[in-house]
Amino acid sequence: DAKTTQPTSMDCAEGRAANLPCNHSTISGNEYVYWYRQIHSQGPQYIIHGLKNNETNEMASLIITEDRKSSTLILPHATLRDTAVYYCIVIESSGDKLTFGTGTRLAVRP
Amino acid sequence: EPEVTQTPSHQVTQMGQEVILRCVPISNHLYFYWYRQILGQKVEFLVSFYNNEISEKSEIFDDQFSVERPDGSNFTLKIRSTKLEDSAMYFCASYYRGRGFHNEQFFGPGTRLTVL
Repeated sequence: DAKTTQPTSMDCAEGRAANLPCNHSTISGNEYVYWYRQIHSQGPQYIIHGLKNNETNEMASLIITEDRKSSTLILPHATLRDTAVYYCIVIESSGDKLTFGTGTRLAVRP
Repeated sequence: EPEVTQTPSHQVTQMGQEVILRCVPISNHLYFYWYRQILGQKVEFLVSFYNNEISEKSEIFDDQFSVERPDGSNFTLKIRSTKLEDSAMYFCASYYRGRGFHNEQFFGPGTRLTVL
C-alpha cells in the first residue's frame, strides 16, 4: 500500500471551512484515497473516498489533484463536533485492511 | 441506521487469563475485522475474516489470538493468555462487498481491555 503523509495537527474556527491535506506521492493507478476520522475514544468513521475525480457527500468534499499525488479533505462549515483525528488512507482492493497512520488532529475552536 | 455493536464496553482481567471480546456486525456484511488501539497510539489491524476463515492477519495476531463466527451473527476475538501489553481498545469492523468497489468499513464503539 502507498504511504500517506499528513500534518500532525491543524485548527480552524467554527463555521469556517477546514481543509486537510494529504500527500500520497507513490499511489498507484488502482488505489483509492479514503478518509476516515476518529472522534475521541470512538471507533473510526468513514467520511469519503475517491479515485481521481472530486467527490462530495453530506459530510465533506474530496479534491484529488490531477496527478493523484495529493488530496484535500474539505469540511465546508466545521463545527465543534468535527474535532477529531482525520486519517487519509490509500487502498487497492475491496476488503483490504485499513492501515492507519497518525493522521491530522483537527481542533475546531469556538 | 444499522450499526456494529460490541460487548463488553470495558473488560478488566488479570494477566494470564483468557478473554473473549464480542461483536455483532451489520447483518448483511460479509467481511469482518478486528483492530486495536493502544492508548495514545495508532489504530492497528489485527485480522480480517471472510467466508468463515481468516483472510489476513498481522504480526500482532499470534497464537494467543483467535477469531470465530460461531452462530452467523456474532464475531468474537479470543485472547488465550492475556499480557499487560494487550491492554488496548479493540475495535470490530464489518464491510459489505456490493457491486463495484466501496471499502467502507463500519466500526463498532470498541471494547476497552485492561490487563492487570
